[in-house]
Amino acid sequence: SQTIHQWPATLVQPVGSPLSLECTVEGTSNPNLYWYRQAAGRGLQLLFYSVGIGQISSEVPQNLSASRPQDRQFILSSKKLLLSDSGFYLCAWSARVGVSNQPQHFGYGTRLSIL
Amino acid sequence: GENVEQHPSTLSVQEGDSAVIKCTYSDSASNYFPWYKQELGKRPQLIIDIRSNVGEKKDQRIAVTLNKTAKHFSLHITETQPEDSAVYFCAASSLTGTASKLTFGTGTRLQVTL
Repeated sequence: SQTIHQWPATLVQPVGSPLSLECTVEGTSNPNLYWYRQAAGRGLQLLFYSVGIGQISSEVPQNLSASRPQDRQFILSSKKLLLSDSGFYLCAWSARVGVSNQPQHFGYGTRLSIL
Repeated sequence: GENVEQHPSTLSVQEGDSAVIKCTYSDSASNYFPWYKQELGKRPQLIIDIRSNVGEKKDQRIAVTLNKTAKHFSLHITETQPEDSAVYFCAASSLTGTASKLTFGTGTRLQVTL
């Protein structure tokens, strides 16, 4: 069965520091991968998605970037964090089955606090 | 782009009663509509989904209905139990190439009281 790993679970960072969050998926190949952010008490906002190695699409202009160096690895980064980057970051994956929508499954998330 | 509105934002029901959450979407190209349940501090978990070629889908106490013409879909939970208490999110998805882009509603906090 497929599993998705996301770390760290919690992170406290000072303003202006760099960020690297990692997500890996097991038990599947060639997945679609997604990064979402959830502000406290709010809905989920899609930040980036990837359909393959090195292929990144950005949904919202911001202080963050994403990379996909391997098929099942997705990384969210920032060079200099802002206070507004605080939130709950969730990685998700879906299978790629032709041209049809597939369910997205979320990792356990990283709770990021910026001080 | 897609816009999903969700109502109500909070819902309190007594145990055993039914709960209904409604969502509307704007993009007629959207063709996949999942519902997620998120317990406090945890990750969203898919509970049911429906595709645009289907009008209704059931899974035990949970059902989802879709009206493509009116662009709205609803989640129905019957015989609610305390463990149903959580935040529920609807979403609408259209394909961009081979990627499924989800636009989420703002969530409904369901409280099931004894």
